[in-house]
Amino acid sequence: GAVVSQHPSWVICKSGTSVKIECRSLDFQATTMFWYRQFPKQSLMLMATSNEGSKATYEQGVEKDKFLINHASLTLSTLTVTSAHPEDSSFYICSARRGLAGLRRNEQFFGPGTRLTVL
Amino acid sequence: DAKTTQPPSMDCAEGRAANLPCNHSTISGNEYVYWYRQIHSQGPQYIIHGLKNNETNEMASLIITEDRKSSTLILPHATLRDTAVYYCIVRVAFGSNYQLIWGAGTKLIIKP
Repeated sequence: GAVVSQHPSWVICKSGTSVKIECRSLDFQATTMFWYRQFPKQSLMLMATSNEGSKATYEQGVEKDKFLINHASLTLSTLTVTSAHPEDSSFYICSARRGLAGLRRNEQFFGPGTRLTVL
Repeated sequence: DAKTTQPPSMDCAEGRAANLPCNHSTISGNEYVYWYRQIHSQGPQYIIHGLKNNETNEMASLIITEDRKSSTLILPHATLRDTAVYYCIVRVAFGSNYQLIWGAGTKLIIKP
């Protein structure tokens, strides 16, 4: 249980276009989802936290108008990179937190990641 | 800012125990220590977490010092598939949520 998927697994786009990445919790309801970015040979950097039905909370330095996050249901969150540029090329990873009571209620389950390359 | 420090890389022979150290000297009393690992170009995989007591599951053991300023992840019988970057993470409260504060990780290479 607790599987998180991402689609697409990789995408190549031209500079100036927008790209949408989906994150789905397949077998549980995710009250909170997180979006991370990872550059080569670096650690994960949290971009934003989103709760179902409310606006996302962005980390300092992350442009909310550039990285649009929608968490419309308990099983789906989307990240849209608008007007993408080569410097946005990165590995984008989502995670989901189950809305359960008890010891493991705050555990994050990670998706497989999406490799974005902007030409 | 990362709340953990780890050695950048380690080697371990296949079949031997891999002991990965982590320092988290500024950890607060209610902050948990989590360990995840990441195999190249994949999403992170949860390994184990703990607060004060030592923990063990089917993947690993977590030994936390009494003062909670450091911990060690133990993979009891390392295999080649355990080659990955291992992240020691402190989970901090953030409003009504919790955030995982990621450090640089340790690249563990298991050698035949």
